[in-house]
Amino acid sequence: QSALTQPPSASGSPGQSVTISCTGTSSDVGGYNYVSWYQQHPGKAPKLMIYEVNKRPSGVPDRFSGSKSGNTASLTVSGLRAEDEADYHCSSYAGNNNLVFGGGTKLTVL
Amino acid sequence: QVQLQESGPGLVKPSETLSLTCSVSGGSISSHYWSWIRQPPGKGLEWIGYIYWSGTTDYNPSLKSRVTISVDTSKNQFSLRLTSVTAADTAVYFCAKYSDHVDSWGQGTLVTVSS
Repeated sequence: QSALTQPPSASGSPGQSVTISCTGTSSDVGGYNYVSWYQQHPGKAPKLMIYEVNKRPSGVPDRFSGSKSGNTASLTVSGLRAEDEADYHCSSYAGNNNLVFGGGTKLTVL
Repeated sequence: QVQLQESGPGLVKPSETLSLTCSVSGGSISSHYWSWIRQPPGKGLEWIGYIYWSGTTDYNPSLKSRVTISVDTSKNQFSLRLTSVTAADTAVYFCAKYSDHVDSWGQGTLVTVSS
């Protein structure tokens, strides 16, 4: 299984919206509605932000939203805040109880 | 929500075996899937494998020949063994509770492979 493809970096000004893509194949992203997104601040463990493409766990602001089209999933952060600056990782179920992750995207709030 | 805590040596010599344990508190290890995930310094996350509380396992094909994950339900713990390590295995290792996504993570432990 190959890693999912994410852009290495993304940026936006406070209040703006930014979208991060995550591209896989029909064997992972395109084959299942089990894409999730994680936020990771430096030196910390990842935190689940989106699961099953577009569901938010309790406590995650509705500024975070997810979507999917074909083999590409996307995370959109609206109304950017300084505290949103972090690394964002996507993952997808890849069959046989396997998970595959993307390489991560560093989001900078300008 | 369960809490997870990794433990084990922070330094392993090349060609030796990396062994880590994850202690689960605030809930039973039974009836759930558990996973190990690692993150080399400055890089992305890599899924190592999972174990179901009953003992069923599966591993990342790229690591399958070197990895064993086991569970001890009496201690509410699960463990990772990675054999024949090299510098490429240097990473922060996370244990996690897993379904089709990871909803609980340990804090992570850095394991450095060096002589």
